[in-house]
Parts: sequence; structure tokens; C-alpha cells
Amino acid sequence: ESDLTQSPGTLSLSPGERATLSCRAGHSFSSNYLAWYQQKPGQAPRLLISDASSRATGIPDRFSGSGSGTDFTLTISRLEPEDSAVYYCQQYDSSPFTFGGGTKVEIK
Amino acid sequence: QVQLVQSGAEVKKPGASVKVSCKASGYTFTNYQIHWVRQAPGQGLEWLGIINPKDGWTDYAQNLQGRVTMTTDTSTTTVYMDLSRLRFQDTAVYYCVRDPGLGRPDTRRNYFDTWGQGTLVTVSS
Repeated sequence: ESDLTQSPGTLSLSPGERATLSCRAGHSFSSNYLAWYQQKPGQAPRLLISDASSRATGIPDRFSGSGSGTDFTLTISRLEPEDSAVYYCQQYDSSPFTFGGGTKVEIK
Repeated sequence: QVQLVQSGAEVKKPGASVKVSCKASGYTFTNYQIHWVRQAPGQGLEWLGIINPKDGWTDYAQNLQGRVTMTTDTSTTTVYMDLSRLRFQDTAVYYCVRDPGLGRPDTRRNYFDTWGQGTLVTVSS
């Protein structure tokens, strides 16, 4: 089972600032099979990024993904109040498909 | 639009079974595989398994083998997840989620482009 470690646990930033979220895998992926999801309180998660860097349909371009191997990053270039949420990474390189523990982004 | 609509909340006793339904609409049902993911209260996300509505093929998470069964009804475009011998630790919101595949049947990418609204299953004595 592939462990994913997300950091930091919580990020508290002001609107307009840049958020950098990290997802580290326990072993290197053969391909960049990593997705990012956003979950707001009381809602189901929403797909943001697949294949490490491909934005899902309708996702604003302030969200971007990067990385390869064991280190992946989700960047929110200019935070908006509606970006307050928990963000999860998910690997689909091998079954079982696992998620990181999440990073909570708070907007000051 | 693509939608997955799940059945309502359930309260069950330990040892009982629960069956959660997920009705798909807005796309060709047999062209996309469906996974189930759960989230315990205040916790992260856990993948439970996958079913191919085209032929009923399934693959389950190892830790649920023998307790989980996923089925489909193509006539009603509905997927079901049955979890038996419930334990307190099974208390969670259960989500059905669509796999985007590669745009043709029998393909899967193993990430999730559409989520149901979630079904809370509470196991309580």
C-alpha cells in the first residue's frame, strides 16, 4: 500500500496570497498517477487535478499541480475566500488507491 | 449533466448489513466504472472497491474482502454497495464515485471525476 504524506496539516493565509501544498509518496510512482481533490465542509470532494498536473473541467487556472516521482505539489496562485477547504491528494499508481491525510487551507 | 444520486442515511446495529444505492444519470452507464470511497467522521478518505457496470467485474480493498459486495442494475442505471457484519468502525459517509476511464468501455483511470452526495451509515447499538 502506497502511503501519502501531506504537509502542512493546516495553512492559514490571506486572500491574494500563494498556497503551496505538498504530497509525498512512500515510494516513487512509475507514472504521474496523482490526483488532487478539494473538500468543503458538508460537501463531497471535487476533482481539481489529475495526472499530477492536468486541471479538471471547470477548475480555475489559479490551481496548478506539479511534481513527479515521490514529491508532488498543489499550488493555489492567488487565494480567494472560497478556496477555504481541505485538500487531499490521491495516488492511482497501484491498488489499493490511497489518499493523503489532507491539508486544511484557512483564509484569514 | 452527469449525476450520481445516493440513497439516504442509515442507522444499523453491529453485525447487521447495509445496502447503499447510487443512481447514475447523464451519461452511458455501462461505459464508466464506479468506485466506492468512505470517510469516517472527521477523518480522511478510504477507497473500498470498484465495479464495472458493463460486466459486473469487481475489485475490492483487501481489508474489506468477504464483507463488501458491489452490484449493478443496468435497467435502472443503479450501483449498489452491500457491507455486512457491520462494526462501529464502519461508521462513515459512503460515496459512490465515477471513474473517467479513457472514453471507451472497459477502461479505467482509478481516479474520480464525479462524486455522489454521500450516504451516512451509522453503526450504533
